[in-house]
Amino acid sequence: EVQLVESGGGLIQPGGSLRLSCVASGFTVSGYWMHWVRQPPGKGLVWVSTIYAGGSATNYADSVRGRSTISSDTARNTIYLDVNRLTAGDTGIYYCVRGSNEWRGFDYWGQGALVTVSA
Amino acid sequence: DVVLTQSPLSSPVTLGQQASISCKSSQSLVYSDGRIHLSWFHQRPGQPPRLLIYGVSNRFSGVPDRFSGSGAGTDFTLEISRVEAEDVGVYHCMQSTEVPHTFGPGTKLEIK
Repeated sequence: EVQLVESGGGLIQPGGSLRLSCVASGFTVSGYWMHWVRQPPGKGLVWVSTIYAGGSATNYADSVRGRSTISSDTARNTIYLDVNRLTAGDTGIYYCVRGSNEWRGFDYWGQGALVTVSA
Repeated sequence: DVVLTQSPLSSPVTLGQQASISCKSSQSLVYSDGRIHLSWFHQRPGQPPRLLIYGVSNRFSGVPDRFSGSGAGTDFTLEISRVEAEDVGVYHCMQSTEVPHTFGPGTKLEIK
């Protein structure tokens, strides 16, 4: 069974940093594209970042490019998202999402980690 | 960026009746592999989104055949025949043809 479990959320002051982790089970991340998607409170979904966990390919939304790093640890079967210089606009639930190997899209989602950026 | 527009944004339906949600794209979603990477997700309150439809019309594993997707070009539709109480929540369309991947604003389905 595919499972994705996020951790690392919480209350963070503006200007601070966060590291989100996503532990995968039921499959090996090294063979998949993995993504982070944010959902601001009461709002829609926003793609944040992508990594091909078996290689070095990464991509970022303009809103986080230059202050964010997505990475993978295949030995731990884990994906990470580091974001610096946080603002209130970074507030939301961060979902770890697996990309399908059969089509160019998302199939499985984690339960999400809530990040609140506030003084 | 590709902009996805959904309508209606809110849809009150009667149990057992059909619901239809439209998703329109600001540009063609045909990828270099010749396929259209348009998906639909269902999100219940307090839960993560769950994949329903991928590639415009393919039902994901375990999705009831009450759900169907269709469309071409820049116009796509999700139809739910015989709406059940468990179908309430928000429906999101998403395009993964272009980067950045983008989502529609969501359509809230509620029971009358």
